[in-house]
Amino acid sequence: AQSVTQPDIHITVSEGASLELRCNYSYGATPYLFWYVQSPGQGLQLLLKYFSGDTLVQGIKGFEAEFKRSQSSFNLRKPSVHWSDAAEYFCAVGARHNTDKLIFGTGTRLQVFP
Amino acid sequence: DVKVTQSSRYLVKRTGEKVFLECVQDMDHENMFWYRQDPGLGLRLIYFSYDVKMKEKGDIPEGYSVSREKKERFSLILESASTNQTSMYLCASSLSTSGNNEQFFGPGTRLTVL
Repeated sequence: AQSVTQPDIHITVSEGASLELRCNYSYGATPYLFWYVQSPGQGLQLLLKYFSGDTLVQGIKGFEAEFKRSQSSFNLRKPSVHWSDAAEYFCAVGARHNTDKLIFGTGTRLQVFP
Repeated sequence: DVKVTQSSRYLVKRTGEKVFLECVQDMDHENMFWYRQDPGLGLRLIYFSYDVKMKEKGDIPEGYSVSREKKERFSLILESASTNQTSMYLCASSLSTSGNNEQFFGPGTRLTVL
């Protein structure tokens, strides 16, 4: 069965610092992979997605993520964090050729200090 | 732009009441989903629908039912609300499987059951 693990519940960084949010998945084949962001009081917004091809994926708001098959990981990165990036981030995995459902991780809350 | 709207942002109900949460999408998506979001648990799928009048149980369907009479509208029903159903409820929609599982989310309904 598919599963997603986000090992960091809460991360705090200073504005301008680099950021990496971890995501590990369990799936028997190459999955579809997503990162969503949720600002306080809002729904989820897609940051980026990986379906195939180049394993380094660029998204909105200056975010990128790298799919590493050998590590079953899809970590989200940003070189310089802005105060407006404070939010909750969710990694999700979808199965190919099977279902339209996504399995979400438990989320990582990012706090940004000035 | 895909737009997913939910009937209420905040709702307060009493134990035992019947509660209806409405979700409407305007992009002719086949799939619609209801999730609940709780701190530390991420998003958990309650029900999803892949066509009008079609539905499938998610991971936590107990205490809930759904209705999809029209393609654009997906309703979540709490037959007899209980305090443990106090949560954030998120609706989402997506195109049917074509190699693309991206889901688009509404802003959420924060339900409090007293």
